[in-house]
Amino acid sequence: DIVMTQSPDSLAVSLGERATIDCKSSQSILHSSNNKHSLAWYQQKPGQPPKLLISWASTRESGVPDRFSGSGSGTDFTLTISSLQAEDVAVYYCQQCYTTPLTFGPGTKVDVK
Amino acid sequence: EVQLVESGGDLVQPGGSLRLSCAASGFTFSQWWMHWVRQVPGKGLVWVSRINPAGITTNYADSVKGRFAVFRDNTKNTLYLQMNSLRAEDTAVYYCGRDNWGTVDFWGQGTLVTVSS
Repeated sequence: DIVMTQSPDSLAVSLGERATIDCKSSQSILHSSNNKHSLAWYQQKPGQPPKLLISWASTRESGVPDRFSGSGSGTDFTLTISSLQAEDVAVYYCQQCYTTPLTFGPGTKVDVK
Repeated sequence: EVQLVESGGDLVQPGGSLRLSCAASGFTFSQWWMHWVRQVPGKGLVWVSRINPAGITTNYADSVKGRFAVFRDNTKNTLYLQMNSLRAEDTAVYYCGRDNWGTVDFWGQGTLVTVSS
């Protein structure tokens, strides 16, 4: 199975400041058909289901604010919130979409400092 | 608008069975792979199973293989998860979701399964 790790476990950032979450896969998740990484990011607010933010490591889903961006290559990926807003308080998960079993990172809790 | 509504969650004794349902609307259900993902309250997300559009190809997490079965009725736009030989560690909120190249691009609100005597 592909193991996904995330760091940090939690972080607190001042409003308007940058938040950065790292995600690492235990092996390559490069999709050969399009040369893109099969990596997704989700946001989960309390009492709600997860929401897909980013697919293919860096493609924002429709309606997702552009302060959210994804980057990375190889086995190392990053989710950046460029200017944290109060509504961004949530747990963020990365997921490899490359092969079954699909696996998620353990999550990173983002709070306002 | 894509909507997924799970139902069927309940309190069940260890060793018991339960069937979850997921009613889909707002998209052509018969053309999409579908997933089940579970989450122990306060914990992380764990993928459980997926099924192809025709209902022929299925995949399972090792932790549920041989005990759970995913199937679908495309005439009713409904996804199912039959859960047998339930264990305490199966206690979780179960979400159904639509697949998009391995991501889950739409999620239901979830249904709670509690396995306890």
